[in-house]
Amino acid sequence: AQSVSQHNHHVILSEAASLELGCNYSYGGTVNLFWYVQYPGQHLQLLLKYFSGDPLVKGIKGFEAEFIKSKFSFNLRKPSVQWSDTAEYFCAVNAGGSSASKIIFGSGTRLSIRP
Amino acid sequence: ETGVTQTPRHLVMGMTNKKSLKCEQHLGHNAMYWYKQSAKKPLELMFVYNFKEQTENNSVPSRFSPECPNSSHLFLHLHTLQPEDSALYLCASSQTIDSTDTQYFGPGTRLTVL
Repeated sequence: AQSVSQHNHHVILSEAASLELGCNYSYGGTVNLFWYVQYPGQHLQLLLKYFSGDPLVKGIKGFEAEFIKSKFSFNLRKPSVQWSDTAEYFCAVNAGGSSASKIIFGSGTRLSIRP
Repeated sequence: ETGVTQTPRHLVMGMTNKKSLKCEQHLGHNAMYWYKQSAKKPLELMFVYNFKEQTENNSVPSRFSPECPNSSHLFLHLHTLQPEDSALYLCASSQTIDSTDTQYFGPGTRLTVL
């Protein structure tokens, strides 16, 4: 069965530190990959997504993610975090082709930034 | 604001009650979704609607009954729930049902079943 793993449940960093959040999935076929973010008190919203082309994807607020097919990974990165990046981050994988009904979310990583 | 609203934001109900959750999207999207977010568990897709037609029911118990009268509105009717059904219920919409489409989420309804 398809699954998504986010191994880091809670990450604590200081401002200006570099960030990498792991996301691994188990599915051998074509996938569409997403990172969503939920800031405190706000809706879940899209950070970035990959479905084809350049495996290095750039999203909003300076975030990027790299799809490494051989490692079944889609890690999220940011070179220098800010206090405002404090949020919960969710990786999602959709192997549904023309249907969104096969989307699977990871359990989320809570990121806390020390000012 | 993402253009997806949900009411009520909080709901407390007994196991014998009947209540409904409402979702409305103002984005002109054609696909709508219900998700369940339980503490310490991944977000779980419950139902998918495309142009008002249900296309997916992910083995959800019949005590949850969705309704989609038009592409802008989605309801989740609840009856004889169990305490383990307490969770945050999120609604989302997307332009199409294609798996590459971005989903836009509402703020959720925090449900507590006593």
